[in-house]
Amino acid sequence: EVQLVESGGGLVKPGGSLRIACEASGFTFTDAWMNWVRQAPGKGLEWVGRIRSTFDAGTTEYAAPVKDRFIISRDDSKNTLFLQMNNLKNDDTALYYCSAAFRPESPFDIWGQGTMVTVSS
Amino acid sequence: SYVLTQPPSVSVAPGKTAIITCGGDDIESKSVHWYQHKPGQAPVVVIRYGSDRPSGIPERFSGSDSENTATLTISRVEAGDEADYYCQVWDDSSDHWVFGGGTKLTVL
Repeated sequence: EVQLVESGGGLVKPGGSLRIACEASGFTFTDAWMNWVRQAPGKGLEWVGRIRSTFDAGTTEYAAPVKDRFIISRDDSKNTLFLQMNNLKNDDTALYYCSAAFRPESPFDIWGQGTMVTVSS
Repeated sequence: SYVLTQPPSVSVAPGKTAIITCGGDDIESKSVHWYQHKPGQAPVVVIRYGSDRPSGIPERFSGSDSENTATLTISRVEAGDEADYYCQVWDDSSDHWVFGGGTKLTVL
């Protein structure tokens, strides 16, 4: 079964850090360009960033609101994607989804169910 | 940065046609993807590359685009189509994915 399962969400204070993960199964993870997308309560989908497949250099791109605070990485040996979130702000409160695409501009064909991150004092 | 503009809401009676627009500068030159997102579920691609329908998506869903507007059309709308719909493009000038603000489809 093709699946993405996020984990690691929780409550964190402003200025704090949190790392969330996304475990893939049922498809060739090493071929995937992996993305993080978030949805704040009552808001729409917002792209957070992506990491290219390792074959395509594994480089990353980030949306402006998270650039220099968030870091996306992958461990292909464990079929796992990570999002390290530093200096968290209240506005980072959201449901965080991981998703997979298989070419640079192809749609996100596979999505997880999301993990909730709440930033509050 | 590139902006995609969607109407916040569209309402339609069952059996009628819903039209959801997505406005963007020269959007016709970009690959537009459409997602259906129901509460508590993961988003699902309903239209790829402007007009391509993935396997498993009903023929009632179709997509098109003109110079500055992409359109998702849902024919013979059913109660199960009620969801939020998002358009998405890759903005190669900024190396960013961009989502539209989303349109809530209500089936009356």
